[in-house]
Formats: sequence, structure tokens, C-alpha cells
Amino acid sequence: EAGVTQFPSHSVIEKGQTVTLRCDPISGHDNLYWYRRVMGKEIKFLLHFVKESKQDESGMPNNRFLAERTGGTYSTLKVQPAELEDSGVYFCASSQNRGRTGELFFGEGSRLTVL
Amino acid sequence: GNSVTQMEGPVTLSEEAFLTINCTYTATGYPSLFWYVQYPGEGLQLLLKATKADDKGSNKGFEATYRKETTSFHLEKGSVQVSDSAVYFCARASGTYKYIFGTGTRLKVLA
Repeated sequence: EAGVTQFPSHSVIEKGQTVTLRCDPISGHDNLYWYRRVMGKEIKFLLHFVKESKQDESGMPNNRFLAERTGGTYSTLKVQPAELEDSGVYFCASSQNRGRTGELFFGEGSRLTVL
Repeated sequence: GNSVTQMEGPVTLSEEAFLTINCTYTATGYPSLFWYVQYPGEGLQLLLKATKADDKGSNKGFEATYRKETTSFHLEKGSVQVSDSAVYFCARASGTYKYIFGTGTRLKVLA
């Protein structure tokens, strides 16, 4: 069974450009999450989808970030326009469990470097 | 507040040495606790977990015990190997679907 896959693995862009990160969760997982790790700091929650609905987007830094999950399958996270402080590793995770928090299955992350 | 604090790295050990990576948390109630590991070039993987006080999670020779008295979940291994070199993240559940992570501790094991 395929795990959580993310694309691209590494993106280098200039300040002001746009980048779109993609996440394919494990098939059948309704819950999809985006997290971010900036400059060796803690991994921080960005948002959570249940199927195609945004359940919680309290961790999104600002309105330059837009996440979508059309059809409740894969998700995209767009950063527009990108700023230097957006550099970091963006992790996607999925889970099937409802109720008490269970295991999240993470992808390898997409490293974003903004110059 | 609600946070997870783990010891700063990097931690460098010789093969077969004893490992402890400290982790403490703040929370209301007794959330589930986790250790995740990220090997070079790979994603985060669940290493072990404990869902209630006094539970001991274990996997691949690693152990961690949920200590509510000290609000800790320290990771230990009796004899590390070079293949254990990775970044280790302590995390706690927040609500029913969110995790709060620590900053990660890089472990380097030398042959």
C-alpha cells in the first residue's frame, strides 16, 4: 500500500513567486493535515481537512497560504506570493481514525527555499 | 500553555552507548504522547506511543514511559546503533486530531 506522497521534494523559488505543493494521502484516509517545520524549530500544525472540508485552519500563517482538497482526495498548498520566512519543510499527513487521536502517517515533506 | 519541550541536540554517541532524550509537556488532562523519528531522506515515522498515564511505549529497542507526575515522556534505548542516527520528535495530542511537536533532537551514532 502506498504511503503519503508529496511533490515536489524540494522547490527553490524567489521572493514574490508562487509555489504549489501537492499531497496524496493514503487511500481511504479521510483526514489530511499540513504541518510545517521552519529552520530547525518545532513542527507546527497548519490545517486539517476531513474529506474536502477544512476542519481547522487555525495554524495557517496568513492569507498568502491557500490549501484545497477538491473531491476529498489529494490536497494542494499554494503560497502566493512567497516570502523569505516561508522557507521550511512542509509535511503532509493523513489518518483514518476518528475520535481519540491516533497515528498520523506522514509524507517525506516538501522542502521550500525562498531566496 | 500547551507545549512540548525536548532536549536540544545534536546528541553524539558511540555505538552501543545508552541513549536518553528528554521530553516534557504541558497540557490540561492526559493527552496521548508520541515519539516520531525522521531518518535521513525519509518522512516522519511513528516510533512509539502511550495513550495513558504509566503506559510504556516500546519499539525497535526504544522505550518511553508516560509519567504524569513529572509530565515527561523520555525516550531511552540501552544500546544505540549507527542506524539509529536520525532526528527524533516528541509530540502530544491536542484535541482529537492535532499534534503539538517538540523542536526535534538530532542523534548521531558513531561506529
